[in-house]
Order: sequence, then C-alpha cells, then structure tokens
Amino acid sequence: GAVVSQHPSRVICKSGTSVKIECRSLDFQATTMFWYRQFPKKSLMLMATSNEGSKATYEQGVEKDKFLINHASLTLSTLTVTSAHPEDSSFYICSARDPGQTYEQYFGPGTRLTVT
Amino acid sequence: GEDVEQSLFLSVREGDSSVINCTYTDSSSTYLYWYKQEPGAGLQLLTYIFSNMDMKQDQRLTVLLNKKDKHLSLRIADTQTGDSAIYFCAGGTGGGNKLTFGTGTQLKVEL
Repeated sequence: GAVVSQHPSRVICKSGTSVKIECRSLDFQATTMFWYRQFPKKSLMLMATSNEGSKATYEQGVEKDKFLINHASLTLSTLTVTSAHPEDSSFYICSARDPGQTYEQYFGPGTRLTVT
Repeated sequence: GEDVEQSLFLSVREGDSSVINCTYTDSSSTYLYWYKQEPGAGLQLLTYIFSNMDMKQDQRLTVLLNKKDKHLSLRIADTQTGDSAIYFCAGGTGGGNKLTFGTGTQLKVEL
C-alpha cells in the first residue's frame, strides 16, 4: 500500500517556541491531507483538512493561528505549532488521500510532541 | 456531531476469538473502517465495509454491520499475541473526506 511519512517522529521543545511537523506521501500525490491529534489513551480528533494549493479547513475549536497548516505541494503538508505550551503536548498524526482510491486514507506513523 | 462509542478494554486468551464492538449515532457514513494502532505508532487499516453490506470476511477478520441498530463489530479469529493493540472503528463518506473515530478498544491477548 501507499506510504505516508512524518518527520520528526519525536520532538521536545521549550514553551514559547514553534515546532514544524512534516507529512509526506512517498509514492502518490495527495491532494488532501488530514491532521489529527491524539491524547493519551484517547481517540483521534481531526484538527484540520489540508488541501493542496488552498487554505486548510479547521475543525471547530481548533485555533488556526496556533496550528498553521501549509500544503505547498502534492506530496507535502506541514503543521506548525506556534508558541507551543505544555498543553500542546500530544501525538500528532497525519493522513493522506490517494486520489486513485475511493475509500482509504493512509496514515503516517505520528509525531510525539513534548513541550517543557 | 457524530458519537462513536467502543468498550475501553478487552482481554482474551491466545487462540480464542475476539469481538470488538462499536456503536455510532450518524448513519450517513458510506464506509466503516477498523484500524489497529500499536504503541507509539500510527494507524494501520485492517479492513473496511461499505454501508450497504452486512458482513465482510477477510482471512481472520470478520466485520458485521447492523445498520438498524447502528452497530459494527470486528471479530478476530484465533487471536495471537501480535494482535494486542488498540482498535479503532471509524466512519467516513469516502477517501477524500474526514473520518470520525471511535474511542478505541485496548485488546490484550494473554498466553
């Protein structure tokens, strides 16, 4: 199946700094990517839908100025957590849609963010 | 929004069958999925079922869908220790659209 990578897999940053997480589709072009956040022992919550060449669509309650999403190419979407605080510590997972598939999204391995 | 509920925990013995259940409130999902998540990892798609189907079997996995009761289940036959993970059900209207995930069920397989 298709492969989606995320980088970095783990990151520790200090409060007030910004962190960028990359999501790449390795063997297909993804017009749509999704960003999810997962708290410990909890389900995945969709944060935003990222469309190549246009602005991301954010879910209710997600601060778009805090979680900046850029889908600059058909294989790369980035999530930047700006002015990070300890409550932003979480597991962030992206997924990507292969336009050739009608039913499946492919998930990245996730990024563990810890803000100290 | 949609609520998707799962029992939090299931423990089975190796070799037994596991049944993980999922109930949902919104019947508009076209596809219903089961994902597996191992510790510290992303999600692996196990199987999916189209909403106009009642059952789908894929090797050790059997998915049952009861649309009337809005109930989805995943049966794993001959459960192995490698099946220990968190299992999520999810609903969506196609690959290009967002998924709504269940709360997740932690499956523990004991020897």
